Amino acid sequence: DTGVSQDPRHKITKRGQNVTFRCDPISEHNRLYWYRQTLGQGPEFLTYFQNEAQLEKSRLLSDRFSAERPKGSFSTLEIQRTEQGDSAMYLCASPGQGSGNTIYFGEGSWLTVV
Amino acid sequence: QKEVEQNSGPLSVPEGAIASLNCTYSDRGSQSFFWYRQYSGKSPELIMFIYSNGDKEDGRFTAQLNKASQYVSLLIRDSQPSDSATYLCAVYTSGTYKYIFGTGTRLKVLA
Repeated sequence: DTGVSQDPRHKITKRGQNVTFRCDPISEHNRLYWYRQTLGQGPEFLTYFQNEAQLEKSRLLSDRFSAERPKGSFSTLEIQRTEQGDSAMYLCASPGQGSGNTIYFGEGSWLTVV
Repeated sequence: QKEVEQNSGPLSVPEGAIASLNCTYSDRGSQSFFWYRQYSGKSPELIMFIYSNGDKEDGRFTAQLNKASQYVSLLIRDSQPSDSATYLCAVYTSGTYKYIFGTGTRLKVLA
C-alpha cells in the first residue's frame, strides 16, 4: 500500500458520457501527478499540482479533460464526452516519505469506453 | 528521439540467471532515475532510484547510472519467475518537476 488511493478502480462508460476519477494522495505532500497509460506504453504525463495550483498540463490533455485539486488535498480528473480513445488506466502519483524525488502510484483507475 | 528509451522485449532469462535491463535518456539535465516494476493489470511499483554515477545495490537489484553516456540499467540477480513483469525506467528533471517514463521492457523468467 503506497498510501495513494484512487476511486473508482474500474469504470465502464458509454461513449459521450462524462466520467470523474478521484485521487487521495499521501498526506503532507504538496505535489500530485496524473498520468495515463495505455496497453504496451509507459505512463504518459497529463498534469501536476503543487498544492491547489495546476502548474503544467500536457498537450495530451484536450479541452475535454479537466483536473482540480481544491484546498490542495484530494484531486479529481474529469473527462467530458468520452471517446473510445480515452480507454486507458489513469494513474495518480505523489511523493513519498523516502527520498524527496520519489513518487508512488495509486492502484489506478481503469476506464473502458464502449 | 524519444526522451526515455527502452527495448520493449520480451527479455527471456532462465531462473537463477542475471537479467539486465537498459534505458537511455536524452535530457542531460536529468537528475534522478527510477525503476518501476509493473505486473499485468497493476499499477507501477517503485523498485529503486539512483541519483549519482555508479552502482546502487538493494538486495537482488542493482541500479547503474552513467550520466556521461546518459544510460541507466537495472540488474536482477538470481532471477525468479515472480520477477516476470514489465520494468519501467523513469527520469526526473527538477526544473520541470516532471517524471518521464520509457515504454518499459517486458521480462520473462523461465522456470
